Amino acid sequence: DIQMTQSPSSLSASVGDRVTITCRASQNIRNYLNWYQQTPGKVPKLLLYGASTLQSGVPSRFSGSGSGTDFSLTISSLETEDFATYYCQQNLSAPLTFGGGTKVDI
Amino acid sequence: EVQLVESGGGLVQPGGSLRLSCAASGFSFNIYWMTWVRQAPGKGLECVANIKYDGSEKYYVDSVKGRFTISRDNAQNSLSLEMNNLGADDTAVYFCARGRNYHIFWGQGTLVTVSS
Repeated sequence: DIQMTQSPSSLSASVGDRVTITCRASQNIRNYLNWYQQTPGKVPKLLLYGASTLQSGVPSRFSGSGSGTDFSLTISSLETEDFATYYCQQNLSAPLTFGGGTKVDI
Repeated sequence: EVQLVESGGGLVQPGGSLRLSCAASGFSFNIYWMTWVRQAPGKGLECVANIKYDGSEKYYVDSVKGRFTISRDNAQNSLSLEMNNLGADDTAVYFCARGRNYHIFWGQGTLVTVSS
């Protein structure tokens, strides 16, 4: 199975900060990479797919980049509702696998 | 409106079995892959199994191979996960999610607790 490693596992930030989360795949996954956001008690929400394509309705302050094995999710200016845990997920091959998550808190 | 409603979770003893169900509505169930994702308390997400729209392909994470069986009934718009020989590591909220490559729609989850 393809292993996904996220860093950092947690970070502290403030409203208005620019935040970048990285995700590394154990093998080349081209651009088969999704990003999700999960707030406590809620189901995950798809933010981006194809490494950089914004899901409909997701604010443009979220962006994704990368291909191959190294990817990143950037929030250009953190808002209150963005304090959450973020997960990357590869969808090149089954079983799909998630990174361990990055918790963004104050 | 797309709806996914899981049921069947509960407390089960180690070595026991449980069958989870997911009732789907609001979309053409028979043209979508479906996936079971679990989340242990305070932990991350793990895709447990998924199944092709016609049931002809199934995939499992290594940790559940030989113990879990995913199935679907397209006539009833339902997805199932049969879980056998459960262990403490299987304690989690189990979500059903639509799709194979990414998941826009999720159910609210059903909690499975494996404990004596």
